[in-house]
Amino acid sequence: IAGITQAPTSQILAAGRRMTLRCTQDMRHNAMYWYRQDLGLGLRLIHYSNTAGTTGKGEVPDGYSVSRANTDDFPLTLASAVPSQTSVYFCASSDPGTGNYGYTFGSGTRLTVV
Amino acid sequence: AQSVTQLGSHVSVSEGALVLLRCNYSSSVPPYLFWYVQYPNQGLQLLLKYTSAATLVKGINGFEAEFKKSETSFHLTKPSAHMSDAAEYFCAVTLGGANNLFFGTGTRLTVIP
Repeated sequence: IAGITQAPTSQILAAGRRMTLRCTQDMRHNAMYWYRQDLGLGLRLIHYSNTAGTTGKGEVPDGYSVSRANTDDFPLTLASAVPSQTSVYFCASSDPGTGNYGYTFGSGTRLTVV
Repeated sequence: AQSVTQLGSHVSVSEGALVLLRCNYSSSVPPYLFWYVQYPNQGLQLLLKYTSAATLVKGINGFEAEFKKSETSFHLTKPSAHMSDAAEYFCAVTLGGANNLFFGTGTRLTVIP
C-alpha cells in the first residue's frame, strides 16, 4: 500500500542522546515535511523539503536537522535531545506539481525524552 | 497570508445527533480547503477537500462540508454521529504550491452513547 512509513513507532530517549527519526515514502512525492504535535498546540512544522537536495526551516526548527538525499527519504535528527522535545512526530508528503495540494501523513513516532 | 480558525477545541454530541465542526478561513484569494481526521494514536487522514469545483464537498464516512465565500467558512457536518466518529478533526488551507498548507489547532469530537 502506497504511503509513508515512519520508524520507530515509539521511543524513550535519555536527554543528551542523539536520535534519528526515519521517514520513507513510496509515492514519489516531491515535497516532504516534519511536524510535531503537542496537546493544545496542534501541528507545528519543524522542517520541510520542496524537492530532493533542498530543505528549509519551519516554525520550530531549533534542535532539529534534516536531510533529503533522495526523493523517498527524509530523516529528522535530534542532535542532543531535551525533555521539551517530548512529542509525537509526523512525517508528511505532498505533490503540488500535480495540483494535488493535500498532504499524506505517516502514523507518527511518539518520542519521550527523559 | 492564509490561515484557518477552528471554533471550539472540544465538541460533544450524542450518538445519532448532527455533527457540526466549524472552520473559518482567512485568505486574499480563493483557497483550497481540507478537513483531516486523526483517530487516537494514528496519523492524519484526509476526509475531504475543496478545490474550487462544487461548493458542497462530500467526503468519507458520511461527512460533508460547504464552502461559503460570503462567510469565509468551510464547516464540516454529518447528519448522524456514530461512536466511531470520535476523533480529532483539523481544518487546513492552502493557496497551492509546496510548504503552503496551514492547519487549524484542531477540534476534538466526543460522541456520547
